[in-house]
Amino acid sequence: EADIYQTPRYLVIGTGKKITLECSQTMGHDKMYWYQQDPGMELHLIHYSYGVNSTEKGDLSSESTVSRIRTEHFPLTLESARPSHTSQYLCASSEGFGQIDGYTFGSGTRLTVV
Amino acid sequence: TQLLEQSPQFLSIQEGENLTVYCNSSSVFSSLQWYRQEPGEGPVLLVTVVTGGEVKKLKRLTFQFGDARKDSSLHITAAQPGDTGLYLCAGGTYYGGSQGNLIFGKGTKLSVKP
Repeated sequence: EADIYQTPRYLVIGTGKKITLECSQTMGHDKMYWYQQDPGMELHLIHYSYGVNSTEKGDLSSESTVSRIRTEHFPLTLESARPSHTSQYLCASSEGFGQIDGYTFGSGTRLTVV
Repeated sequence: TQLLEQSPQFLSIQEGENLTVYCNSSSVFSSLQWYRQEPGEGPVLLVTVVTGGEVKKLKRLTFQFGDARKDSSLHITAAQPGDTGLYLCAGGTYYGGSQGNLIFGKGTKLSVKP
């Protein structure tokens, strides 16, 4: 039973469309993260949040935006999708900084922009 | 900038063989974690090691944290096809005395053939 949920699992959309990837967790974790990952490759941190109304950009430049209005919800939005946005997007959360209990990851959203 | 280098990047072996993958850095980490990611899923935490020289065993997997807390290894005995996946190491960081986000390595992609 997953404690962190991402929807949709798969999404194919046309160039220029606005999309929102959903991420929700039921663990009450303050810290949440978005990673971008090409299949079987390294994780790139694109956004993170340490709590409600707190969001920061990660190491990888991204044209996406995030919001954190509720503790359990951390959606990611692309205002105008492009083929270069095609990737796997992983959401994660942690108790504290995750240095002992680690991050809990969702199953990901596989996005294809055509 | 703290980096974690994982080697080898790819590893393909036959069922029943033993293997070791490595995670190295020039930086000291407060903790070191190993994750396994299966295709189409998010990474799942396998273990956290926090003490220099610590060894943890999880069935056929043995994890070791270097004495200086800069490196770690994962040894799998008698590999099985179910061990196939991407193995990621992650280090717990401190910046100016405060905890920071986990730093992830690029991963080792393991394929175990029957």
